[in-house]
Amino acid sequence: DGGITQSPKYLFRKEGQNVTLSCEQNLNHDAMYWYRQDPGQGLRLIYYSQIVNDFQKGDIAEGYSVSREKKESFPLTVTSAQKNPTAFYLCASSKEGWVKETQYFGPGTRLLVL
Amino acid sequence: AQKVTQAQTEISVVEKEDVTLDCVYETRDTTYYLFWYKQPPSGELVFLIRRNSFDEQNEISGRYSWNFQKSTSSFNFTITASQVVDSAVYFCALSEADNTGKLIFGQGTTLQVKP
Repeated sequence: DGGITQSPKYLFRKEGQNVTLSCEQNLNHDAMYWYRQDPGQGLRLIYYSQIVNDFQKGDIAEGYSVSREKKESFPLTVTSAQKNPTAFYLCASSKEGWVKETQYFGPGTRLLVL
Repeated sequence: AQKVTQAQTEISVVEKEDVTLDCVYETRDTTYYLFWYKQPPSGELVFLIRRNSFDEQNEISGRYSWNFQKSTSSFNFTITASQVVDSAVYFCALSEADNTGKLIFGQGTTLQVKP
């Protein structure tokens, strides 16, 4: 079945630690996105990539980093510079990075700080 | 500035009632797309509908219907004869013609359908 997988489902981070969230898709989509969701709020864009080896900052990129070395993979690293990382992180993909394309979402990773 | 507002934070209804979720958007573009997503307790966002700015026809899909009115910048979502399984957070989102594909989300409306 085609879809988007995210791992792990839950992730715990210690102070000063970098952690990486995995996002993989087998939909053959060119564009991929990372969003952050805080309780009672909508989703906010962290980073996006419209093509392999290229990515752009979203609205809240500070304290995060990404890579796009393969079409199917778009990992997100939450660095120690992100002072409030506790949130639900959702990865999405779309066929292309155009206005008309529908984004499909993965199951999410919940990040908690110890 | 682009913005999506879902003024209803929480709605509670009894099963079989009809319920309308409101969505108001702001954009300067003439070409844009509007979306509705459902987020059940599991957390994954499920795509429900996409509508472009040039198509103001209302759409019905089973118990779901959508009313798009450019004159009031609204894209409201109605569930007819609600069921307990409709309980979820519903998000309205806007995609503008900057060709990044990024979505601007409203804050979501939590719908609770009681048996």
